[in-house]
Amino acid sequence: NAGVTQTPKFQVLKTGQSMTLQCAQDMNHNSMYWYRQDPGMGLRLIYYSASEGTTDKGEVPNGYNVSRLNKREFSLRLESAAPSQTSVYFCASRGAADTQYFGPGTRLTVL
Amino acid sequence: GEDVEQSLFLSVREGDSSVINCTYTDSSSTYLYWYKQEPGAGLQLLTYIFSNMDMKQDQRLTVLLNKKDKHLSLRIADTQTGDSAIYFCAESRGSQGNLIFGKGTKLSVKP
Repeated sequence: NAGVTQTPKFQVLKTGQSMTLQCAQDMNHNSMYWYRQDPGMGLRLIYYSASEGTTDKGEVPNGYNVSRLNKREFSLRLESAAPSQTSVYFCASRGAADTQYFGPGTRLTVL
Repeated sequence: GEDVEQSLFLSVREGDSSVINCTYTDSSSTYLYWYKQEPGAGLQLLTYIFSNMDMKQDQRLTVLLNKKDKHLSLRIADTQTGDSAIYFCAESRGSQGNLIFGKGTKLSVKP
């Protein structure tokens, strides 16, 4: 089992460009999450999906959209990237006892 | 307050015990968690404790929970240089079981 996988690992964008971060899990989990991690800020929840076909906003959803494509895949889209979105992005899925399993992250720089 | 709080830094010598402390906010949290993040990697679930337990031991790791004071601690026995990482405390909150993370404690282990 690969667990949670994310692509790409690294990305550099110019202000105003768009991109989609991909996430997939092979653990048959219902719930999936997108976080961003910034120095001194810990992890902040962007969006989550409690089940296939549903999505909800987290703490910092502005500037992002998500798609729960199927049970395995949950993508995060930046329509018009801004320097404030420079961050490390983590996807996670939820297992038993509300434990969350994280992917390796995408390191995004917006110039 | 609303935050899960941890001290930001801890430095210990190899072979000593490390104790990382955390205070959480939601007395109804069902589970509390400790995650480890090595440089450039995602968060790895170390251990979790059910809220009706006082202590959980798993090899070199001991988790202590004081529900009255909403205090959680992680003790690492015989700390090794490979234990150098950032350790995050988290609580589950709300009916969706979303996790709220502290900002992380950076553990440095000196040889």
